[in-house]
Amino acid sequence: EDQVTQSPEALRLQEGESSSLNCSYTVSGLRGLFWYRQDPGKGPEFLFTLYSAGEEKEKERLKATLTKKESFLHITAPKPEDSATYLCAVGSYGGATNKLIFGTGTLLAVQP
Amino acid sequence: DAGITQSPRHKVTETGTPVTLRCHQTENHRYMYWYRQDPGHGLRLIHYSYGVKDTDKGEVSDGYSVSRSKTEDFLLTLESATSSQTSVYFCATSGVTTNEKLFFGSGTQLSVL
Repeated sequence: EDQVTQSPEALRLQEGESSSLNCSYTVSGLRGLFWYRQDPGKGPEFLFTLYSAGEEKEKERLKATLTKKESFLHITAPKPEDSATYLCAVGSYGGATNKLIFGTGTLLAVQP
Repeated sequence: DAGITQSPRHKVTETGTPVTLRCHQTENHRYMYWYRQDPGHGLRLIHYSYGVKDTDKGEVSDGYSVSRSKTEDFLLTLESATSSQTSVYFCATSGVTTNEKLFFGSGTQLSVL
């Protein structure tokens, strides 16, 4: 069965303190791994798609990487506005088209 | 960003009453989805649509039905609401060429008392 596990559940950082969020996955065949950001009271907002091991994507202070078993979302010198819940999702060739499996998210709090 | 509007944003209802949530999109996306989000479970797919009048079940479809009579509208109905259906409901869409990148609405907070 396809599964996605995110860790840690919550992370508190000081402004400027870099860290990483983890997304471990088990799928029959990875079609794509997706990162989303979700602010309180809002819907998830798309950040990145990664398709193959070794691939990396960057956006401002965020960098997503992918291996055959997990993905990391690296946050460099975070600012308070980076505070949000970060969601990971995977699509697999074993599953039906367009059905993504989501992790439970990492709640990130960046303190000034 | 895709224009996705969900209504209502908040709703409180009683057990046993029918409830309909609405999703309207302005991007002409082919695929539309209904998810629910609960603490500890993440986002779970309820139903999805791959075209007008074409729908299919997701992983938590029991107690829910959907309809899509126009490309832009996707309705989620709780036939007889139960307390276990208290949740935040999100509508999402994806287009034909980027059908894995989901665009989400702002959600509907539903409380069933």
